[in-house]
Amino acid sequence: NAGVTQTPKFQVLKTGQSMTLQCAQDMNHEYMSWYRQDPGMGLRLIHYSVGAGITDQGEVPNGYNVSRSTTEDFPLRLLSAAPSQTSVYFCASQQTGTLQETQYFGPGTRLLVL
Amino acid sequence: AQSVTQLDSQVPVFEEAPVELRCNYSSSVSVYLFWYVQYPNQGLQLLLKYLSGSTLVKGINGFEAEFNKSQTSFHLRKPSVHISDTAEYFCAVSEAGGGNKLTFGTGTQLKVEL
Repeated sequence: NAGVTQTPKFQVLKTGQSMTLQCAQDMNHEYMSWYRQDPGMGLRLIHYSVGAGITDQGEVPNGYNVSRSTTEDFPLRLLSAAPSQTSVYFCASQQTGTLQETQYFGPGTRLLVL
Repeated sequence: AQSVTQLDSQVPVFEEAPVELRCNYSSSVSVYLFWYVQYPNQGLQLLLKYLSGSTLVKGINGFEAEFNKSQTSFHLRKPSVHISDTAEYFCAVSEAGGGNKLTFGTGTQLKVEL
């Protein structure tokens, strides 16, 4: 199993540009989520999904959209990038939506918005 | 809502010395507690978790943590560290049975020196 994969690893955007961060898992996990990691702030939940076709907002959803058309993929879209979205983005998955299950993280995408 | 405090942003320690990374939480309900490790340029990896039962939890790589409800703490310990333990460590909390939302601390950078 590849686990949780994320592409790209690095990205530089100009303010106002759009892009999609890709996340895929091959473990048939129902639950997937996106976090952003900023210095001195730990990880904050952006959006999550409990299964295909179902998404919900986390702690910091503004400026981000998600969709879950398949179990495997959970892309994160920035419609109009802003410098405040400069961050490291992590995708995670787990078997179900309960925390008794271990959550697996991808390697991250480092995004710089100029 | 729950919160997590990791008072030490950096902890330097010599190889083979013991280490304790502190974590305190705040919550009005029962909690689950987690420690994650993040090696440079990688995603987070679960070290250990407390869900219920024994308050002393053993994890991977020789780490352990003790849940202390009266002191609302979940400190991480290792009796003898190695250079390879150099990483950032995150404490996280969730409401027990309250879904899947983790609240992360701001992280502690452990630097092991020769």
